[in-house]
Amino acid sequence: GAVVSQHPSRVICKSGTSVKIECRSLDFQATTMFWYRQFPKQSLMLMATSNEGSKATYEQGVEKDKFLINHASLTLSTLTVTSAHPEDSSFYICSAAPFTGSLGYTFGSGTRLTVV
Amino acid sequence: GNSVTQMEGPVTLSEEAFLTINCTYTATGYPSLFWYVQYPGEGLQLLLKATKADDKGSNKGFEATYRKETTSFHLEKGSVQVSDSAVYFCALSDGGGGGSNYKLTFGKGTLLTVNP
Repeated sequence: GAVVSQHPSRVICKSGTSVKIECRSLDFQATTMFWYRQFPKQSLMLMATSNEGSKATYEQGVEKDKFLINHASLTLSTLTVTSAHPEDSSFYICSAAPFTGSLGYTFGSGTRLTVV
Repeated sequence: GNSVTQMEGPVTLSEEAFLTINCTYTATGYPSLFWYVQYPGEGLQLLLKATKADDKGSNKGFEATYRKETTSFHLEKGSVQVSDSAVYFCALSDGGGGGSNYKLTFGKGTLLTVNP
């Protein structure tokens, strides 16, 4: 079955530094990837939709300059949290679909980011 | 816009009890409906889905029927196990059309705890 690998699973960084999170589709090509943020005991908030070879589409209220998304290949999308602050601490999850419009969403295992 | 409302937890049951988690939705058009499960510290796993009215999704003893007349997709299981303890999310995907990205809209999640 479709597998999405997300790395790292946990990261602790200092305020002001940047952190990159990778999301890879291991056995399929993903034209579309989604990035979500999940606060403790809350639902998933869609941050942005990443399309291979084009700019990401950000949801309202998400700072695109702070959360940089790059989808340079059909198997890799990255989310970079720039100049991280403690309020950016959260659980970030990616998901991927094999082709635009597919209902076959597969989720990564998530990244727990702690900014100290 | 689209929205998903699911019963708030936490839900605590004894092993072998019957489970129902209610989910209702608001959407334009004809969405696809999903139930996802999230175990502690992990990403989301698709539990079951239904793509049109009266469809029944089923997996691992869980079932949910797409009820267009009541805009509902309630999750049921006849006999829960301790290993079913997790957070359950109801979600919908709008049709989009024309190659759009079929975003998922999630409910807030319901924490289920099953005691031996």
